[in-house]
Amino acid sequence: EDQVTQSPEALRLQEGESSSLNCSYTVSGLRGLFWYRQDPGKGPEFLFTLYSAGEEKEKERLKATLTKKESFLHITAPKPEDSATYLCAVRSITDSWGKLQFGAGTQVVVTP
Amino acid sequence: DGGITQSPKYLFRKEGQNVTLSCEQNLNHDAMYWYRQDPGQGLRLIYYSQIVNDFQKGDIAEGYSVSREKKESFPLTVTSAQKNPTAFYLCASSASSSYNEQFFGPGTRLTVL
Repeated sequence: EDQVTQSPEALRLQEGESSSLNCSYTVSGLRGLFWYRQDPGKGPEFLFTLYSAGEEKEKERLKATLTKKESFLHITAPKPEDSATYLCAVRSITDSWGKLQFGAGTQVVVTP
Repeated sequence: DGGITQSPKYLFRKEGQNVTLSCEQNLNHDAMYWYRQDPGQGLRLIYYSQIVNDFQKGDIAEGYSVSREKKESFPLTVTSAQKNPTAFYLCASSASSSYNEQFFGPGTRLTVL
């Protein structure tokens, strides 16, 4: 069964203090790994898709990387507006109808 | 302005009542999904639909029902058989089931009184 584990559960950062979030996954062949950002009381916002080990994607202060067993979301010099819950999800190559397996998320708080 | 809309934003249900959550998209997407989100847990799939007039059960379909009569609409009914319905409900869509990225609506928070 596909599994996704995110760590830490919560992260408190000072503005400008860079850090990384971890997403460990177990899947029978990876079709894609997805990162989303979710603000309180809102729907997740799509950030990145990663397909193969070694791939990297960047958007502003966020950079996602992928290995065969895990993905990291690096937040460089975060600002208070980066405060959110970050969700990771995987899709298996055996899936034919779009099922995503989600982790529980990492809640990030960036203080001024 | 393309996107996914969900209504209402907040919904209160008395025990024994059925309630219907609306999901509409104008992205011309074929695939649509319903998820449930509880605190400290990942999103869990309730139902999904790849095309009009077709839908399949997800991991936690018991106590829920859906219809897909139009490409744009995928309403979810939470029935009285759902024992613990208080949660945040999210609708998502994708260009097709073979397309990877799913895009989410703003969600509906359902509370049972």
